[in-house]
Amino acid sequence: GQNIDQPTEMTATEGAIVQINCTYQTSGFNGLFWYQQHAGEAPTFLSYNVLDGLEEKGRFSSFLSRSKGYSYLLLKELQMKDSASYLCAVSGAGSYQLTFGKGTKLSVIP
Amino acid sequence: DADVTQTPRNRITKTGKRIMLECSQTKGHDRMYWYRQDPGLGLRLIYYSFDVKDINKGEISDGYSVSRQAQAKFSLSLESAIPNQTALYFCATSLGDVSYNEQFFGPGTRLTVL
Repeated sequence: GQNIDQPTEMTATEGAIVQINCTYQTSGFNGLFWYQQHAGEAPTFLSYNVLDGLEEKGRFSSFLSRSKGYSYLLLKELQMKDSASYLCAVSGAGSYQLTFGKGTKLSVIP
Repeated sequence: DADVTQTPRNRITKTGKRIMLECSQTKGHDRMYWYRQDPGLGLRLIYYSFDVKDINKGEISDGYSVSRQAQAKFSLSLESAIPNQTALYFCATSLGDVSYNEQFFGPGTRLTVL
């Protein structure tokens, strides 16, 4: 089976940096995804990690350590529009399925 | 242009009614999925399909059935709706590449069962 943990809620200030952590326990591993989801809307793809290390994409970066079963999403220069839920999802080895964490609701305050 | 569409976007129904939610995609993807999302529980997989002749149960398939009428269409049915099936339902698609399984989501259907 697979188990994914991430904080339920976080609050950060506009212009600041925030790190959202995700830990996972899976039977096999074939990649980790981060999605952004605004309230009532569809999840949209942010990043993908399959090898250890940092992937940077503009203001967003994602890190993976496979040996530790750990990932984080780093958001820089926070903007009000970044207020959303951030979903961590893991793809198991040889699987077409993604298992999603429960999501972290980020509130950006002025 | 939306690549993954869902109809209806909102539906209110009564306990015991049969409901069908529809999903269509123009991405040419083989894989299609149905999820439900509840506050505090995240996205949970109901059913998934690898092609027209393939249907697989997900984590929470009880009370639901699906039909894959064509590569581009995947329908979810609630045979006899009950209030705890009130949720936000998402359809998703992905390529048939097991080494990279990014999923693309439709806009969602908000279902309320009274």
